[in-house]
Amino acid sequence: KAGVTQTPRYLIKTRGQQVTLSCSPISGHRSVSWYQQTPGQGLQFLFEYFSETQRNKGNFPGRFSGRQFSNSRSEMNVSTLELGDSALYLCASSLSPQGPGELFFGEGSRLTVL
Amino acid sequence: DAKTTQPPSMDCAEGRAANLPCNHSTISGNEYVYWYRQIHSQGPQYIIHGLKNNETNEMASLIITEDRKSSTLILPHATLRDTAVYYCIVRVWSNAGNMLTFGGGTRLMVKP
Repeated sequence: KAGVTQTPRYLIKTRGQQVTLSCSPISGHRSVSWYQQTPGQGLQFLFEYFSETQRNKGNFPGRFSGRQFSNSRSEMNVSTLELGDSALYLCASSLSPQGPGELFFGEGSRLTVL
Repeated sequence: DAKTTQPPSMDCAEGRAANLPCNHSTISGNEYVYWYRQIHSQGPQYIIHGLKNNETNEMASLIITEDRKSSTLILPHATLRDTAVYYCIVRVWSNAGNMLTFGGGTRLMVKP
């Protein structure tokens, strides 16, 4: 079956702009979480959605937001982009937030802010 | 979630077993040990997880010490494609969700 799909794979923005990233989870998976990866900070949890509700949020400013649709697809948005937002943004899906199951990650969206 | 300690890097000869250690001395009784790996420029890939008993799947084996303070991921016959950063994560599973705390990981270099 198809894996986690993230779009776009690469994008370039300038400071002050906003960006929306999309994630389509594996069919049947209802939990979607987002991570940011930078060389300096490594992999950091952004937020998680299940049944269109945000369940957890990491320590990121309010410029970072997300949502989940009824078909479990998720989007994240970053407003007023800063140079430090340049990163690989990874989406992961799982069947549900409960139980000792694994997360399946997408290939990521690489954002460059100029 | 308990903190983990891993060596920053390791080398392994192709065809030999790669043994990646992880210390998690503050692990609590209901925390699972998970291993993920990340090949350059790709998303992390789940490898294996366990609670108390040793586990084996088609990718690797996970050996957890009896006191659960440390574990070892074993890739029985490492190939060049196993070159990646390996992350050891301990996580309690509850209705709190899927948040994973990634540390620095171990960069495994498999050499011909």
